[in-house]
Amino acid sequence: TQLLEQSPQFLSIQEGENLTVYCNSSSVFSSLQWYRQEPGEGPVLLVTVVTGGEVKKLKRLTFQFGDARKDSSLHITAAQPGDTGLYLCAGAGRAAGNKLTFGGGTRVLVKP
Amino acid sequence: ETGVTQTPRHLVMGMTNKKSLKCEQHLGHNAMYWYKQSAKKPLELMFVYNFKEQTENNSVPSRFSPECPNSSHLFLHLHTLQPEDSALYLCASSQQVPGLAGGYTDTQYFGPGTRLTVL
Repeated sequence: TQLLEQSPQFLSIQEGENLTVYCNSSSVFSSLQWYRQEPGEGPVLLVTVVTGGEVKKLKRLTFQFGDARKDSSLHITAAQPGDTGLYLCAGAGRAAGNKLTFGGGTRVLVKP
Repeated sequence: ETGVTQTPRHLVMGMTNKKSLKCEQHLGHNAMYWYKQSAKKPLELMFVYNFKEQTENNSVPSRFSPECPNSSHLFLHLHTLQPEDSALYLCASSQQVPGLAGGYTDTQYFGPGTRLTVL
């Protein structure tokens, strides 16, 4: 069982549609990070959320940290082909042994 | 450009070969990491170095041997690997802040990875 479960594992949508990716755990994290990884590249940090209930926006991307700091979501509005990639959440804190622990990732494909 | 470079980008090796992966960071960070990314498995932390000292070995088999000669360079020496070791090996660096709770949780900057295939 993974410490962080991401769902869905794969998502294919048309350009202009909205999508939501979930990152869930039964453990509490001090912070949660979201990364995007494009083919042939390493993950790139998108955002870090640290406060329960926190909402952060990055253009068309909205990130939310659950009130209990056990889960997070990433919502993309009006997705574009450039949003295609592997989205990874990573939790930090005692539950993760004070290491950054990654979820299994959600592969997003936005078709033009 | 993330400031972390890795060479080679692709490597094919036999089980009896010895090879090395190289990582260099140009960000002035004090910590460097090796991760393994396999298909259908989460990103796995392998090793952590802080100020050239290894601070984490995440139960990695001895056929993987890390080396950190200075805070900018990190190597992963490979010998007698198995086909199941085929994966994307990612290097990352960060600026660990002393006293910050959860020392490895600062922002990590990843290199592009080395795609390793073991035949």
